Amino acid sequence: GQNIDQPTEMTATEGAIVQINCTYQTSGFNGLFWYQQHAGEAPTFLSYNVLDGLEEKGRFSSFLSRSKGYSYLLLKELQMKDSASYLCAVSSDYKLSFGAGTTVTVRA
Amino acid sequence: DGGITQSPKYLFRKEGQNVTLSCEQNLNHDAMYWYRQDPGQGLRLIYYSQIVNDFQKGDIAEGYSVSREKKESFPLTVTSAQKNPTAFYLCASSPGANEQFFGPGTRLTVL
Repeated sequence: GQNIDQPTEMTATEGAIVQINCTYQTSGFNGLFWYQQHAGEAPTFLSYNVLDGLEEKGRFSSFLSRSKGYSYLLLKELQMKDSASYLCAVSSDYKLSFGAGTTVTVRA
Repeated sequence: DGGITQSPKYLFRKEGQNVTLSCEQNLNHDAMYWYRQDPGQGLRLIYYSQIVNDFQKGDIAEGYSVSREKKESFPLTVTSAQKNPTAFYLCASSPGANEQFFGPGTRLTVL
């Protein structure tokens, strides 16, 4: 089976940095995705890691360690609009398995 | 505009009725997926299709059925056998084994 864990909630201040961790144990691995989902809306793609290391894309960065079954999403210079749920998903056999999501609340 | 459409955005049905949720894409993607999302839970895979006229059960297929007669369309029927159908349903498509693109979702409420 697939087991993907991430914290339920995190709170941070506008302008700060937040790191969302994701650990996984899956029967296969073709890559790891991070999606952002605002309440009542569809998830939107943030990042994709298939090799170990850090991928940077503007204010968002994502890190992967395949040997440790570990990834994190780093959100820098937080803005109020970053308040959302962040979903970690592992790809294997043409399917995505999702964690429960981490709700990030940004406070002024 | 290319994208994935789901209709309607909100749907209400009486208990015991079957209901079909629409999903259409014009991205020319081969693979399509249906997920269910409940409060506090991640997306759970109901059915997926990698090619026209073929589909596979996901993790929670009981009480649901699908068809894939056209590449662009992947409708989901929620049958009366589904014990707790009230949820947010998301359809997605993918060009291959990687990124999935999501539709806006349908919120189904069974009264």
